[in-house]
Amino acid sequence: QKEVEQNSGPLSVPEGAIASLNCTYSDRVSQSFFWYRQYSGKSPELIMSIYSNGDKEDGRFTAQLNKASQYVSLLIRDSQPSDSATYLCAGRDDKIIFGKGTRLHILP
Amino acid sequence: DTEVTQTPKHLVMGMTNKKSLKCEQHMGHRAMYWYKQKAKKPPELMFVYSYEKLSINESVPSRFSPECPNSSLLNLHLHALQPEDSALYLCASSQETGLVLYGYTFGSGTRLTVV
Repeated sequence: QKEVEQNSGPLSVPEGAIASLNCTYSDRVSQSFFWYRQYSGKSPELIMSIYSNGDKEDGRFTAQLNKASQYVSLLIRDSQPSDSATYLCAGRDDKIIFGKGTRLHILP
Repeated sequence: DTEVTQTPKHLVMGMTNKKSLKCEQHMGHRAMYWYKQKAKKPPELMFVYSYEKLSINESVPSRFSPECPNSSLLNLHLHALQPEDSALYLCASSQETGLVLYGYTFGSGTRLTVV
C-alpha cells in the first residue's frame, strides 16, 4: 500500500453542496495529517491539520480522522466556485508525505 | 511575518548554466525543505535541513546542490540541468522536524524551465 492514497478525481460538486474528499494512509505516516489546497500554478496552502480521532471544524471546513480504519477526510460545506482546486492529503511521521491530490470542481 | 519568500519567481536557464534559487523565512522555523513539483503531480521531497544541517537527501542528483547559510536562508544551486528538470521548485519551512503535529508553510515557488 502506498503511504497516502487519494482518488485523483475530478470530483464535481454543485455550488452550495457539501464536497467530501477522502484519503487513506499506511502505518508509516500515522502521526498527524494535513489538508493542503493548491490552485493551478500556485503553491500548496495549509487549510487543516488533525492528529486526534474525531472531527475538527474550522469555518466551512471539517477534517475527520479515523485511526482504526486509517482514513482521513475533508468536508467543505456550502461549496463555492473559489473552492475549485486540487486538495492534497498529507501524512507525517519524520517528514510530510503527500497523496496524489484530488481535483475538485465546484459547478456554478 | 508568516511568509516564506522565494526568488526568482520564474527562471529560464540553459543546460550549461549555473543558477541559484533562494528561499527566506523569518518565522523562527528551524527546519527547511526543498520540494520539486511536476504538472499534475504532488510535491516530491528533495532535501531537508534541520538546524542548518542537511538531514535528508532523497537521492537527488548532484546537479542540485542545497545550502543553508543560516537559519533563515535556504539556497538551491543548479548546474548542468536537463530539460526534464523543468518544474515548480517549492521551498517550505516548519518549526522543527521532530514536531510532527505541525504542517509546513510553503513559499510561492520558482517556475524553472531548462532549455
